[in-house]
Amino acid sequence: KAGVTQTPRYLIKTRGQQVTLSCSPISGHRSVSWYQQTPGQGLQFLFEYFSETQRNKGNFPGRFSGRQFSNSRSEMNVSTLELGDSALYLCASSSASGGYGGYTFGSGTRLTVV
Amino acid sequence: SQQGEEDPQALSIQEGENATMNCSYKTSINNLQWYRQNSGRGLVHLILIRSNEREKHSGRLRVTLDTSKKSSSLLITASRAADTASYFCATVDSGGGADGLTFGKGTHLIIQP
Repeated sequence: KAGVTQTPRYLIKTRGQQVTLSCSPISGHRSVSWYQQTPGQGLQFLFEYFSETQRNKGNFPGRFSGRQFSNSRSEMNVSTLELGDSALYLCASSSASGGYGGYTFGSGTRLTVV
Repeated sequence: SQQGEEDPQALSIQEGENATMNCSYKTSINNLQWYRQNSGRGLVHLILIRSNEREKHSGRLRVTLDTSKKSSSLLITASRAADTASYFCATVDSGGGADGLTFGKGTHLIIQP
């Protein structure tokens, strides 16, 4: 059974640009969540999608957005990048929404903003 | 925002010894989960304990939950070098998981050979 796949693994962008990250969940999982991990703030919840609908959203500015497709694949977009957006972005999939089951995480996309 | 704190922040023990990590949280929860992370890679789900459970085992792992004290502990028995990693507790609130998983800051565990 394939795991959660995140692409790309590494990304370097310039301040002011935008970026799109991709996540393919485990087959059959309809919930996809995104997390940001930084040394200072730790792991923080961005948003969760379930069956193409955003179910929950963390406390991040509107520059952070996402979507989910009918095949459950998800993309996360960050516009007008800031230096502070440099982080490891983790995607997690689950068969249930809302965290009632365990999550399977991808290896992450490490974004560096210069 | 962080739900709570893991204690200790770092722990170094000899291979074969037991490692205990503690986690405190602030709100009413539906469940609490423990994850392991190796060197800034993805998180690996270890165990989930629901709010109506007090103890759970999985292989060399033992997790306890005390909802009256809003705390949990993770015990790894007979530690191995491969257990070297950061360990995070994460909670799902009882209100429906609107905040996703709320993570603590983690315990960095080092197993000395």
